[in-house]
Amino acid sequence: DAKTTQPTSMDCAEGRAANLPCNHSTISGNEYVYWYRQIHSQGPQYIIHGLKNNETNEMASLIITEDRKSSTLILPHATLRDTAVYYCIVRPRFNTGTASKLTFGTGTRLQVTL
Amino acid sequence: EAQVTQNPRYLITVTGKKLTVTCSQNMNHEYMSWYRQDPGLGLRQIYYSMNVEVTDKGDVPEGYKVSRKEKRNFPLILESPSPNQTSLYFCASSLIRETPDLQYFGPGTRLTVT
Repeated sequence: DAKTTQPTSMDCAEGRAANLPCNHSTISGNEYVYWYRQIHSQGPQYIIHGLKNNETNEMASLIITEDRKSSTLILPHATLRDTAVYYCIVRPRFNTGTASKLTFGTGTRLQVTL
Repeated sequence: EAQVTQNPRYLITVTGKKLTVTCSQNMNHEYMSWYRQDPGLGLRQIYYSMNVEVTDKGDVPEGYKVSRKEKRNFPLILESPSPNQTSLYFCASSLIRETPDLQYFGPGTRLTVT
């Protein structure tokens, strides 16, 4: 899997947008960008994924640069419950057993404050 | 409600006393996997299963066994636990046909071996 680089930590005021960047300069053409988050030692939770187009769901938006070497996860109106570690992962498109292994790095610890 | 359940959630045991951590999913997922999470090391895959009676080693299988006799269950067995197996364990599942695949995680089992 391509290696990703994320800032160690970020702060965000409640109600403001949280923009979490991720660099994945070695991503290959068949790899997707996934975002998961982990709230205080709970099981990781899927947020969103994309290949090359921007994506939006009820939780977040994902902006992928045209060259696909970086992306940004946007939480449009962060709340205290969004305080978590956010992981950016790039993975092959197809599930082939070991390809389904999720390699989590250290992620970005987002602290949402009042 | 679609979910992955693990039991027990917390366990303190002594070296050498066999234990089993159960994992069950109600989503008819073919793929199931076990991870351990340790500070500074991220999530590491222990074993995975592509379907009933099909299991394979992940990155850190030593000291662990698994079985997949039914599609919904994937227990993790520690035949002779040792202190270095003290960790936070997560079970995950996903569909194989779905590409890209989204993994659903259980709530975690915190194991302490003394």
